[in-house]
Amino acid sequence: SYVLTQPPSVSVAPGKTARITCGGNNIGSKSVHWYQQKPGQAPVLVIYYDSDRPSGIPERFSGSNSGNTATLTISRVEAGDEADYYCQVWDSSSDHPRGVFGGGTKLTVL
Amino acid sequence: QVQLQESGPGLVKPSETLSLTCAVSGYSISSGYYWGWIRQPPGKGLEWIGSIYHSGSTYYNPSLKSRVTISVDTSKNQFSLKLSSVTAADTAVYYCARQEVGATPDAFDIWGQGTMVTVSS
Repeated sequence: SYVLTQPPSVSVAPGKTARITCGGNNIGSKSVHWYQQKPGQAPVLVIYYDSDRPSGIPERFSGSNSGNTATLTISRVEAGDEADYYCQVWDSSSDHPRGVFGGGTKLTVL
Repeated sequence: QVQLQESGPGLVKPSETLSLTCAVSGYSISSGYYWGWIRQPPGKGLEWIGSIYHSGSTYYNPSLKSRVTISVDTSKNQFSLKLSSVTAADTAVYYCARQEVGATPDAFDIWGQGTMVTVSS
């Protein structure tokens, strides 16, 4: 089965840039979506199709995807960005197409 | 705007069947999109359970496939999840979500608030 690997945690100072990676075999050939989840709340889509932003998501959020790694980049990090972030793909490579989530990354704003 | 709302029992006994419904407002299910279920055990990450198209075609997580049934009721504009033979490992917050359709089912763009289901006797 297809596996997405994320670092458990990333720390960044306010105003700096946070980069959260999502590793997977030839993930560059798939569309990657990113979600932000704050404590006690449902996930919110922040990036879809690798680098598109839904309406209402700040331009500070961007994404890229190439080779075996997709990256969510948050520029000029704010305290309100502290949350768990999950990547997700649709894996059609087997006989059983499926949705796959990464394990999640906790972003801490120092 | 589009809203999704999960409903169902918050407590289910071991070996019984978990049943949840997701009511959709602000959008007609029969107009398109996939509609999915995702769960999150306490303190853990997200797990995709399955997705259904408005026509009724389904995809299930292979690890749960033998126990899962997802159905859609376009007349009530809702879709449902049944998970049989539950154990404590099925204790989780269960989310329903709308899923974009590209070449494949894609991003979950709108989520319900989630409902906590505990499996315990």
